[in-house]
Amino acid sequence: EAGVAQSPRYKIIEKRQSVAFWCNPISGHATLYWYQQILGQGPKLLIQFQNNGVVDDSQLPKDRFSAERLKGVDSTLKIQPAKLEDSAVYLCASSLDYGELGEQFFGPGTRLTVL
Amino acid sequence: DQQVKQNSPSLSVQEGRISILNCDYTNSMFDYFLWYKKYPAEGPTFLISISSIKDKNEDGRFTVFLNKSAKHLSLHIVPSQPGDSAVYFCAAYNAGNMLTFGGGTRLMVKP
Repeated sequence: EAGVAQSPRYKIIEKRQSVAFWCNPISGHATLYWYQQILGQGPKLLIQFQNNGVVDDSQLPKDRFSAERLKGVDSTLKIQPAKLEDSAVYLCASSLDYGELGEQFFGPGTRLTVL
Repeated sequence: DQQVKQNSPSLSVQEGRISILNCDYTNSMFDYFLWYKKYPAEGPTFLISISSIKDKNEDGRFTVFLNKSAKHLSLHIVPSQPGDSAVYFCAAYNAGNMLTFGGGTRLMVKP
């Protein structure tokens, strides 16, 4: 079974530029998550989708971050414009269904450096 | 407001001995807890979990203990192996199905 795929793996941009990350969850997983992991900290949930609907985006900085999950499969996370403090690893995860208190499967992450 | 805390940023253990990683939480609404393991340049991988109705769950070399009254859980690895060297994250679900992670503990198992 293929795992969660993410691209790119690394990205370096200047502040005020835009960037987008892509995620392909495990086939059949209805729930998709985006996390931000700053160096030395644990992952922090940014947004959670159930199929193509948003379940929770309370911690997403909506003035600069946006995310979508077209057709309930792939998802993109965008930052526009980026700030220095956005430097982090962005992790995508998926799980079988919302409401199941079980394992979330994580992708390898995209390491973003904002200069 | 850190609802899940791992107060030890690092732990060093000799191969073959027991590793004990600790986690404290403040939110009494948390009802399911997980431990994840993370190697460099990889995403976290699930290790073991425990429901709030239990106080112990065991899987091979890994055992998680939950003390609800103290709002404390711990992960025991016995015996520790060099391949266990990684960052370990404690995480908890609340009723809103949102997973909250601790800051992680880096475990180093010396041969």
